[in-house]
Amino acid sequence: DQQVKQNSPSLSVQEGRISILNCDYTNSMFDYFLWYKKYPAEGPTFLISISSIKDKNEDGRFTVFLNKSAKHLSLHIVPSQPGDSAVYFCAAKGPGAGSYQLTFGKGTKLSVIP
Amino acid sequence: GAGVSQTPSNKVTEKGKYVELRCDPISGHTALYWYRQSLGQGPEFLIYFQGTGAADDSGLPNDRFFAVRPEGSVSTLKIQRTERGDSAVYLCASSQTTNAFRHGASTDTQYFGPGTRLTVL
Repeated sequence: DQQVKQNSPSLSVQEGRISILNCDYTNSMFDYFLWYKKYPAEGPTFLISISSIKDKNEDGRFTVFLNKSAKHLSLHIVPSQPGDSAVYFCAAKGPGAGSYQLTFGKGTKLSVIP
Repeated sequence: GAGVSQTPSNKVTEKGKYVELRCDPISGHTALYWYRQSLGQGPEFLIYFQGTGAADDSGLPNDRFFAVRPEGSVSTLKIQRTERGDSAVYLCASSQTTNAFRHGASTDTQYFGPGTRLTVL
């Protein structure tokens, strides 16, 4: 049973527009969430994170929103650039024994069209 | 500064053979993790080291898999009697600490290497 779900395998967006990537989770014990970006033949690169005590975290063009009641988070990229084209993974971890294990979704492939 | 490095980048082996995959973490990082990413999936946790000891190996799929980190830096993932189902990208990550300042600084952020693509024929 997948605890972290990214239901959109792919997303295409025009350059300059907003990209919104979504992620849902089922484990209410998760209290820290991360987004990683992955280019082909490279490892995942940390992008941005958010703690469960916040509902928003912003870093430049990237903003992550967390809705705990809905167990949903989203990553907004504004404005989208062709270099943002990659696979984006949502990951989560919880307290205690789960505090070091990242649980990943299957990823969403973002294509930013020039 | 240097990131996490992994060797080899690609490994092709035959069913039944033994393989070793190496990970060099970021200097000074005490925590080291191994994940496996199968085609079309996200990375899945295998094992976590704090220093030299394996603090949690609950993600290892069976006893053919073993990992060591004898001096608290470089780690080797060892797979015996490889099977075709072991084919995947094996990712290593490291972090400064674990579970520290969870709601503030990101000292426990995991930084990944490029991975080793293992193909078992």
